[in-house]
Amino acid sequence: KAGVTQTPRYLIKTRGQQVTLSCSPISGHRSVSWYQQTPGQGLQFLFEYFSETQRNKGNFPGRFSGRQFSNSRSEMNVSTLELGDSALYLCASSAQQRDSMNTEAFFGQGTRLTVV
Amino acid sequence: EDKVVQSPLSLVVHEGDTVTLNCSYEVTNFRSLLWYKQEKKAPTFLFMLTSSGIEKKSGRLSSILDKKELFSILNITATQTGDSAVYLCAVGGTSGTYKYIFGTGTRLKVLA
Repeated sequence: KAGVTQTPRYLIKTRGQQVTLSCSPISGHRSVSWYQQTPGQGLQFLFEYFSETQRNKGNFPGRFSGRQFSNSRSEMNVSTLELGDSALYLCASSAQQRDSMNTEAFFGQGTRLTVV
Repeated sequence: EDKVVQSPLSLVVHEGDTVTLNCSYEVTNFRSLLWYKQEKKAPTFLFMLTSSGIEKKSGRLSSILDKKELFSILNITATQTGDSAVYLCAVGGTSGTYKYIFGTGTRLKVLA
């Protein structure tokens, strides 16, 4: 079974630009969560999508947005990039069927975004 | 404010030593606690704990949860250099503002 796939693996963007990152979850997984990881802040939750609906949202500005498609693939978009957005963006998928279910979350390799 | 605190922040041991990593938490309506190992990029899933007192074990690694005292420990026996990594603890709750809240991790270095 293929794991969680994130593309691209590396990205360099200029301040003010926008970027779109992609995540393909494990086959059959319907929950996709996004995290930002920086050396100073650790792993910070961005948002979670389940069956094309945003179910949870972290404390990030509106420049960070996401969506999920009917095949469970998810994208996150960051507009008007700032230097502080440089980070490793990780996506995790879960097999959760209901919000109350406890299931493991499996991570992709991440996208390393550098804003210059 | 919901939070997860891991200790120690870093640890250096020699091969063969046993280590205990700690994770304490305060979350809204606890659901589960997960442990991950992160070496380069993707955190690798280790354990998920939902019930108190039931030890999860995988080879030289084991973990247990105490829901009364709000903490979990991860034990690694007979450490090897390949165990060198950052170990992350994540807790799931129902606050609506996160899926899992992560601790800052414990950086373990095992010397040959």
